[in-house]
Amino acid sequence: KAGVTQTPRYLIKTRGQQVTLSCSPISGHRSVSWYQQTPGQGLQFLFEYFSETQRNKGNFPGRFSGRQFSNSRSEMNVSTLELGDSALYLCASSLGGAETQYFGPGTRLLVL
Amino acid sequence: SQKIEQNSEALNIQEGKTATLTCNYTNYSPAYLQWYRQDPGRGPVFLLLIRENEKEKRKERLKVTFDTTLKQSLFHITASQPADSATYLCALRSSASKIIFGSGTRLSIRP
Repeated sequence: KAGVTQTPRYLIKTRGQQVTLSCSPISGHRSVSWYQQTPGQGLQFLFEYFSETQRNKGNFPGRFSGRQFSNSRSEMNVSTLELGDSALYLCASSLGGAETQYFGPGTRLLVL
Repeated sequence: SQKIEQNSEALNIQEGKTATLTCNYTNYSPAYLQWYRQDPGRGPVFLLLIRENEKEKRKERLKVTFDTTLKQSLFHITASQPADSATYLCALRSSASKIIFGSGTRLSIRP
């Protein structure tokens, strides 16, 4: 079975721009969660989607949004980028909110 | 506020010894606790899960304990090897399915 894939792997943007990241979960997994990882804050939960519905949300501003498609693929969007948004963005899939999450390799975003 | 702490930012031990990592939490009622391994430039990899009503779990050279009274989990790697060098993260998940991660402990095993 193929693992979780994320595209793109690396991205450079400038302040004020917006960005869309993509995540393809493991086949059969219906839950996708997104995380932001930075050296200072560690791994922080952004949101979780299950069957195209947002099921949980972390404490991030509304500039961070996401969606999930009927094939369980998910996208995350960040609008009006700020320097502090530079981070590794990870997505993880699981069967249905099951305990074990499988992480993708991440998208490294650099905001200049 | 909910808080999860991994006491050591970095831990260096000699090959063959047992590595013990600590995870403490406050203001949280976890349904279960997980440990992950993360290598540089890669996403975390799930290792073990222990539920609130379990005291200990083992998997090969790994052992996890969970003390809900002390609000603490210990993660042990016995007979450690240089290949065990990585960052180890603990994560708590409540019944409301919110998950929080610790900041991680960077473990280095020297030959």
